[in-house]
Amino acid sequence: DTGVSQDPRHKITKRGQNVTFRCDPISEHNRLYWYRQTLGQGPEFLTYFQNEAQLEKSRLLSDRFSAERPKGSFSTLEIQRTEQGDSAMYLCASSPYALSGPRSGVYFGPGTRLTVT
Amino acid sequence: AQKVTQAQTEISVVEKEDVTLDCVYETRDTTYYLFWYKQPPSGELVFLIRRNSFDEQNEISGRYSWNFQKSTSSFNFTITASQVVDSAVYFCALSLPEGGSEKLVFGKGMKLTVNP
Repeated sequence: DTGVSQDPRHKITKRGQNVTFRCDPISEHNRLYWYRQTLGQGPEFLTYFQNEAQLEKSRLLSDRFSAERPKGSFSTLEIQRTEQGDSAMYLCASSPYALSGPRSGVYFGPGTRLTVT
Repeated sequence: AQKVTQAQTEISVVEKEDVTLDCVYETRDTTYYLFWYKQPPSGELVFLIRRNSFDEQNEISGRYSWNFQKSTSSFNFTITASQVVDSAVYFCALSLPEGGSEKLVFGKGMKLTVNP
């Protein structure tokens, strides 16, 4: 069973540049999430898709951030005009529509570490 | 508002010791889910367990066990006979099935170091 994959794993960019990250969820999962994690903190929710529909966005997601999930498969997260405060680990997660049992959960990818210089 | 508190920020033990990681949550909802994740130095969050608010049975999986007590809003995690490979940051999380999502609210994590 292939897990959640993310690309790239690391990205260094200069302030003001745009960056785009990709997430491929577990194939049978129709729910997809983006989170952001800064050093010493737990992940914070950014946005959620069910199939291709973006159903929820956090207030953390400023206008410079946009996420898409065309055809309900992979997802992209774009950050425009990056700022140093955007430096963080960006995590993608997926889950099936119906969670049942203690072993059914939300599965995370390895993350994309963004450094804005 | 939903909140997860992991009061311990860091614990260091010697191999083979038992260790309990505390998690206290806050929510006004009666239906919710609780999770534990492990984040080793490699950085990837590893799903360990999910517990439904209606199921207070304790769960055991090998050296891992979880104690869920609604009366004290706690979902504690015990590692028995700890090993060096257990060294990681452990996160407790809460989700509410509002709107159908499984949006997770995480605690700040607890760093466990198991020394040989």
